[in-house]
Amino acid sequence: DGGITQSPKYLFRKEGQNVTLSCEQNLNHDAMYWYRQDPGQGLRLIYYSQIVNDFQKGDIAEGYSVSREKKESFPLTVTSAQKNPTAFYLCASSHGQGISEAFFGQGTRLTVV
Amino acid sequence: SQQGEEDPQALSIQEGENATMNCSYKTSINNLQWYRQNSGRGLVHLILIRSNEREKHSGRLRVTLDTSKKSSSLLITASRAADTASYFCATDAWDYGQNFVFGPGTRLSVLP
Repeated sequence: DGGITQSPKYLFRKEGQNVTLSCEQNLNHDAMYWYRQDPGQGLRLIYYSQIVNDFQKGDIAEGYSVSREKKESFPLTVTSAQKNPTAFYLCASSHGQGISEAFFGQGTRLTVV
Repeated sequence: SQQGEEDPQALSIQEGENATMNCSYKTSINNLQWYRQNSGRGLVHLILIRSNEREKHSGRLRVTLDTSKKSSSLLITASRAADTASYFCATDAWDYGQNFVFGPGTRLSVLP
């Protein structure tokens, strides 16, 4: 089945630690995105990538980093510099050209303990 | 940069009733999309309407777009308990390649 997979579903992190969230897609999509969602809120764009080895900051990139070494993969690292990392993180992908829809993973819920 | 704003923030209706959600946006768009999110899950694409379209249907969903008012509405007819979810509108942005800008969503509760 084609789709977009995020792992893990739940993640706990101690303060001061970096943590990496995985996002893999087999849809052959060029574009990939990371969003953050806080309880009862909408989605805010963290980073996005249109092609391999290139990515752009979104609205709330501070304290996060990404890489795009492969078309299929777009991991997100939440660094210790992120002041309030507890949130629901959603990865998405799209064709990235013309008018297209976004396909989402099931999300990773990160909790700082 | 929040583009879309859904209205109302929350909506509670009885099964069988129609549910209408509205979305307003600020800048010109190429298209507007509606997504659904069940609690604790990812978003699922429902319908896309292009800027040169005024109305679109998909099953029990009807979407309208008024570019002069920069607004869209999503109508769910004959609602079911399974329609309970959050609904988001998203507009396309082309800062550097395509990305999607989401509003805060409408939480719909359909009571049996």
